[in-house]
Order: sequence, then C-alpha cells, then structure tokens
Amino acid sequence: KAGVTQTPRYLIKTRGQQVTLSCSPISGHRSVSWYQQTPGQGLQFLFEYFSETQRNKGNFPGRFSGRQFSNSRSEMNVSTLELGDSALYLCASSLITGDLSGNTIYFGEGSWLTVV
Amino acid sequence: SQQGEEDPQALSIQEGENATMNCSYKTSINNLQWYRQNSGRGLVHLILIRSNEREKHSGRLRVTLDTSKKSSSLLITASRAADTASYFCATGAYSGAGSYQLTFGKGTKLSVIP
Repeated sequence: KAGVTQTPRYLIKTRGQQVTLSCSPISGHRSVSWYQQTPGQGLQFLFEYFSETQRNKGNFPGRFSGRQFSNSRSEMNVSTLELGDSALYLCASSLITGDLSGNTIYFGEGSWLTVV
Repeated sequence: SQQGEEDPQALSIQEGENATMNCSYKTSINNLQWYRQNSGRGLVHLILIRSNEREKHSGRLRVTLDTSKKSSSLLITASRAADTASYFCATGAYSGAGSYQLTFGKGTKLSVIP
C-alpha cells in the first residue's frame, strides 16, 4: 500500500510569489491534514480536511489556504510568500473510524519550501 | 502552539544502550503518538497509545502514558546507529467539529554512537 505522497519535494520561490503543494493520501483515507515545520516554531497544525470540507484550521494567516478533492487528494496554497514561510510542509492522512482514540496519523516525506 | 515538552532535548548514547525520552503535555487527550524523523525527511509513525492505556510495546519500543501526570515516555532498548534521529511526541485530540489534530513537542535529538 502506497504511503502519503507529496509533490514537489523541493522548491524555491521568490518573495511575493505563490506556491501550491500537493498531497495524495493513503488509499481509503479521507482525512488529510497539513503541518508546517520550522526550526523556530517546530511542528504546527495548519488545517484538516475531510470529505472536501475544512473542519479545522490552525493559527495561520489567510495567505495559507487549502482544499480537498473528491478523491481525497489535497492541495495547499500559500500566497504572497514571505521569507518566514520557508519550511518543511508535511501532509498527513488518517482513516477515520468509530474508534476515535485509535486514529493513527501517517505523514508524507514533506515538501521543502525555500523563499528567497 | 506547542502542547508540551520533550526531555531531554538531546541525548547521546553508545550502541547497545537503552534510550529514554520523556514527554509532558498540558491538556486532555484522546491518544498520544510517537514519531521518528531522520534529518530532512518526513515523520515515521512509531506507536500510538490511547488515553486509557498505560503501557504499549512494539519491537524494541516501549511507551508509557500517565494521564494523571500528563506525561509519556518512550524507551528504545538495545539502540542501534540507525536509531539516530529526532523523536517527537504528539498528543491527539478531537474538536467539537469532529476534526482531529496533533499537537507536537519540540522533540528529542537522539545520537547513537557505533
């Protein structure tokens, strides 16, 4: 079974540009969430999608957005890039079942974004 | 925001020794998950322990959870050089909307010297 797949793995963007990152969850997983990892702030929750609906969003500005498609694939977009947006962006997927306390979250390899 | 703290921040041991990492958190949780991250890579899921469990084993890993003290520990026995990585604990909780979110600690950087 393929894991969580993220593309691209590495990218460099200029301040002011926008970027779109893509994530394909594990087959059958309908919940997709995104996290940002930086040396200063660590791992922080961005948002979570389930059945094409954003159910929760972390404390990030509106420049960070996302969406989920009917096949559960997800994209996140960052507009008007700032230097501080340089980070590893991690996508995660999970199989939501009735056993809420047993909900394992699986992560992809991440997309390294460098803003110059 | 960070849920809690891992202790120690860095740990260096000889191959074959045991490594213990601790994690504290602040709010009520549904479960706690431990992850490993090799430099520049994604997070690899190690083990999940539910809030009503006290101990769990998986291979060379042993995790304990004390919800009264809001703390967890990860023990890696007979460590190997390949265990060199950063280890994160993440507390899982559901919001009223049914959304599930992980809140991470800052991690412990483990170095296993051959």
